[in-house]
This record gives sequence, C-alpha cells and structure tokens, in this order.
Amino acid sequence: EAGVTQSPTHLIKTRGQQATLRCSPISGHTSVYWYQQALGLGLQFLLWYDEGEERNRGNFPPRFSGRQFPNYSSELNVNALELEDSALYLCASRAGGYNEQFFGPGTRLTVL
Amino acid sequence: AQRVTQPEKLLSVFKGAPVELKCNYSYSGSPELFWYVQYSRQRLQLLLRHISRESIKGFTADLNKGETSFHLKKPFAQEEDSAMYYCALRGRGSTLGRLYFGRGTQLTVWP
Repeated sequence: EAGVTQSPTHLIKTRGQQATLRCSPISGHTSVYWYQQALGLGLQFLLWYDEGEERNRGNFPPRFSGRQFPNYSSELNVNALELEDSALYLCASRAGGYNEQFFGPGTRLTVL
Repeated sequence: AQRVTQPEKLLSVFKGAPVELKCNYSYSGSPELFWYVQYSRQRLQLLLRHISRESIKGFTADLNKGETSFHLKKPFAQEEDSAMYYCALRGRGSTLGRLYFGRGTQLTVWP
C-alpha cells in the first residue's frame, strides 16, 4: 500500500510570495490533515479536510488556506509569506471513523 | 484547553536499561492518547494508543487519569529504539479530529 505523498520535498520562497503545498492521501482515505512543525516547536494542527470540506481549523491566520479535491488530494496555500512560516509541513490522511492518521514525509518550506 | 507536555527534550540511556518517556496532558473529559515515533529519516508513525492497551516493540503506556499522565515505558531499551517520540491527544467536540502534540523527546540508546 502506497503511503501519503507530499510535494514538493523542499520549497524556497521569499517574503510576501505565495506557497502551494500538495498532499495525496492513501487510497481510500477521505480525511486529510495539515500540521506545521516549526523549529523548536511541536506539531501544530493547521487544517482538517474531509469529503471535500473544511472540518476544523487551528489557530492560524486566514492567509493559511487550503482545499480538498474530489479525488481527496489536498492543497495547502500560504499567502503573503513571512519568515516565521519557515517550517516542515506535514500532511496526514485517515480513513473513516476513529482510525489512526498516517503521515507523509513533509514539505520543508523556507522563507527568505 | 487541550495541552500535551513532554518535559524532557532529550533522554539518554544505555542498552538494556529501562526507559520512561514522560507525557502529561490537560483535557476536560475522557482523553484519547497516542504515542508517535519518528526514526531517523523516516516519517512519523503511530507507536501505540491507550485504548488498545497493547505492547508494541516492548513499549507500553498506561493512562493515569488521576495524574493526567500517559508515560511511555520499556523495561530494556535497545539501540534501535533511538528516535524522536511524540505524545499526542485527540480532540473532541469543537476540536474534533485534530491531534495535539507535545514537543517531543529525543531518545538515544547507547550501546
């Protein structure tokens, strides 16, 4: 079974630009979660998508947004990038019910 | 508010020694707690969850509601246990679905 995939592996942007990160869940999984792991901090919940809709959102400004496509893949968009947005962004997927979340390898975003 | 605290950023033990990674939580209600592990150059993966009451790779964790703790224990550490360990709590209600993670403990097992 193929795991969660994320692209790109690394992304370098400058302040004020926009970044788009992508996630493909495990086949059959309908929920996608996004987490941010900034240096020295634990993983912080960003967004949860299920069946194409945003179900829950963490304490992040509106410039963090995303969507889930009909094939359940997801995109995370970060507008007006700031230096503190530099972090590892992890995507996780989950099948229905109280099943575990499976994590992808992450996208390392660097904002210069 | 939900919160997970892992007081030790780093923990080192020798092979064969017992190991305990501490986790304390703050949650009003019945928590659902997990331990995740990340080995070097691998992705984050679930190690165990409290509702399963299982032992994985020799690790166990008991939920202590009185002390609001979910410490991870192994009686005899192995070198291959060296990894980053995260304690996590699953939210309910308005925070349904999200996981709250501690900041992690880097375990090093010396030969």
